[in-house]
Formats: sequence, structure tokens, C-alpha cells
Amino acid sequence: ELKVEQNPLFLSMQEGKNYTIYCNYSTTSDRLYWYRQDPGKSLESLFVLLSNGAVKQEGRLMASLDTKARLSTLHITAAVHDLSATYFCAPGGAGNQFYFGTGTSLTVIP
Amino acid sequence: GAVVSQHPSWVICKSGTSVKIECRSLDFQATTMFWYRQFPKQSLMLMATSNEGSKATYEQGVEKDKFLINHASLTLSTLTVTSAHPEDSSFYICSAKQGSGDNQPQHFGDGTRLSIL
Repeated sequence: ELKVEQNPLFLSMQEGKNYTIYCNYSTTSDRLYWYRQDPGKSLESLFVLLSNGAVKQEGRLMASLDTKARLSTLHITAAVHDLSATYFCAPGGAGNQFYFGTGTSLTVIP
Repeated sequence: GAVVSQHPSWVICKSGTSVKIECRSLDFQATTMFWYRQFPKQSLMLMATSNEGSKATYEQGVEKDKFLINHASLTLSTLTVTSAHPEDSSFYICSAKQGSGDNQPQHFGDGTRLSIL
């Protein structure tokens, strides 16, 4: 079974600051997804990373994938309060299955 | 875009009863749907993979006789929690993938909050 670890688990940061969330996974996977979850809500797709070296950016978030290192990063630039949520990474497994990371709970403080 | 609808959104019932949760893909066909469970402040745990027209594939540690999955059509999968107990209280989320390619993201339903008294 694919094991996925995210760091940090909880993150509180001030508006305007930068930070990177890390996602490490245990076995080979050629694709990885990032999702956002607001409290009490379901998941919203943020990024789909499909190859080694893939980098995608949307607004203040940028995601990258290094399949050789089994590592993905989600970089936050100049954080704003609206980014407060829990972020999950999910490497793709066999048979279309997803295995979710532990999640990173982000709180952006004004 | 692809929409996945879950019903009900929230259900509270007494211990020992069975609860059915529906997951529908509204504007696309899904041969495979997935059921997840999420406890408070924890990640999503894959429970089972629901395959249209065949038996579901359960993850290790998930009781198939307790969590009955039926995927009778290309747009509907149901999860029935049988003889539910308080420890089954959780947030249940389904997802479906549009298309058969590995590159497509899964689209998630809004989740069902199940509370067993």
C-alpha cells in the first residue's frame, strides 16, 4: 500500500508570507494530485501533476513533482486569508486508486 | 464540469439501523467510483472501489458485510452501512473519475455526515 506523508501537519502563518508544504510518498507513482478541503466540505481539485518535473501554478499556489525523489511540493506565495483550508496530496496508485496524505491544515492570520 | 452528487448530506440515526448513501455522477458516466471515510481532523481513507456491474473491491480492514456497495448503473453507486454503531459515525465521501484515463482527477461528492446515536 502506498504511504503518504505531508509536512507540516498544521501551519499558521501571517498574510503576505511564503511557505512550502511537502508531500513524500513511499512507492513509485507517476502522477500526483493536490486537493483543498474547507471545513465541513468535500474536496476541490487544485492541481494534476502527470510527469517528473511537472510544475503548475494557479494564483498564489504552485505545485511541483519529483517522481524520482517521490516528493511533491505545494508552495504558497504571499499568503492571504482565503487560502486557509486543509490541503491534501494524493499520489495515484494502481487501478485509479488514490491514497491521500495526512493533510496540512493551513491558517493564514491577517 | 463533472458533478458528483451525494445524498443525504447529513443523517442521524439510532444504533443498530442501516443507512444507505447514494453517489451519482450527474453529467458523465463512471464505471468506477470510490468510497472514502474521514474521521475528524484526519485524512481520507479509501474504503472500497465500486465497479459498475461487478463486486466492489474493499481495502484491507474494511468489512464488506458491514459496508455494502452496489454499483448498478454507470451513474449510481450506493453504500449501505448495516447495523450501524457509534464508531461508524464519520464523514463519508464518494468520488468518480470521468473517463478511463489515469490522468483524470477524481471528482468528489459533497460528502455525507453520518452520526449514530
